[in-house]
Amino acid sequence: GAGVSQSPSNKVTEKGKDVELRCDPISGHTALYWYRQRLGQGLEFLIYFQGNSAPDKSGLPSDRFSAERTGESVSTLTIQRTQQEDSAVYLCASSNGQGTSQPQHFGDGTRLSIL
Amino acid sequence: AQSVTQPDIHITVSEGASLELRCNYSYGATPYLFWYVQSPGQGLQLLLKYFSGDTLVQGIKGFEAEFKRSQSSFNLRKPSVHWSDAAEYFCAVGASSASKIIFGSGTRLSIRP
Repeated sequence: GAGVSQSPSNKVTEKGKDVELRCDPISGHTALYWYRQRLGQGLEFLIYFQGNSAPDKSGLPSDRFSAERTGESVSTLTIQRTQQEDSAVYLCASSNGQGTSQPQHFGDGTRLSIL
Repeated sequence: AQSVTQPDIHITVSEGASLELRCNYSYGATPYLFWYVQSPGQGLQLLLKYFSGDTLVQGIKGFEAEFKRSQSSFNLRKPSVHWSDAAEYFCAVGASSASKIIFGSGTRLSIRP
C-alpha cells in the first residue's frame, strides 16, 4: 500500500511568512510524529499524536509552531512568522500502535528554506 | 533522561570490507533499540530493532546489531558492504512507557570503490 506522503516536498518562503506542511500517514496507523532535521544533524522530536488522545507537544520549540490532526488521518504542521533558523527538513512518521514498540514509517520530508 | 550517542560522524570503508557503526545509549530500564538508514533526499527506513530476547538481531540488507547491556551499546555490523550502503545511519532508543524515541546524531557512511 501507499507509504507516508508529505507535501510540499520543497518550500521556499520569506522570513516572517507563515507556512503549512502536510502529512498523510499510512491508512490505519494511529500514531503520527513530526520531526525536524537540520542540515547535518539528527532528528529532533516535535510532536506526537496517538488516536484521540491529547498530543505530546513537548518538542515544539516555540509558540510559533503548532500542529493539528483530525482523527487518525491527515496532519498539518504550521509555523508562523518564520525565522531563518526554521530552515530544515521536516519529517513525518506514522506507526501502528501505541508507544514506541512499533516501528515508525517515514515520509520523504518537506525541505523548508527561509530566505 | 534518555540519550543516544553515535561517536563517529563520518566513516569511509572500502567496498567489500566489513563495517561496524557504534551506538551507545543511556536509559534506566531495558530500552527498545532501533537502527534506521536514510538515503539522500529520502526519509528514514527501519533496518532492525531490539526489544527483548536474543541480543543479536538480524535486519534487512544483510545488517545485524548486537545489544550489550554491560556496555550500553547497540552496534550495527555488516560483513561486506556494497556501494549502495552509502547513506546516513541513525541509532534510536525508546521505551514502552514513552511516547517518542530519541535519535542519535547519525553516522554518514561513504564507500570507497
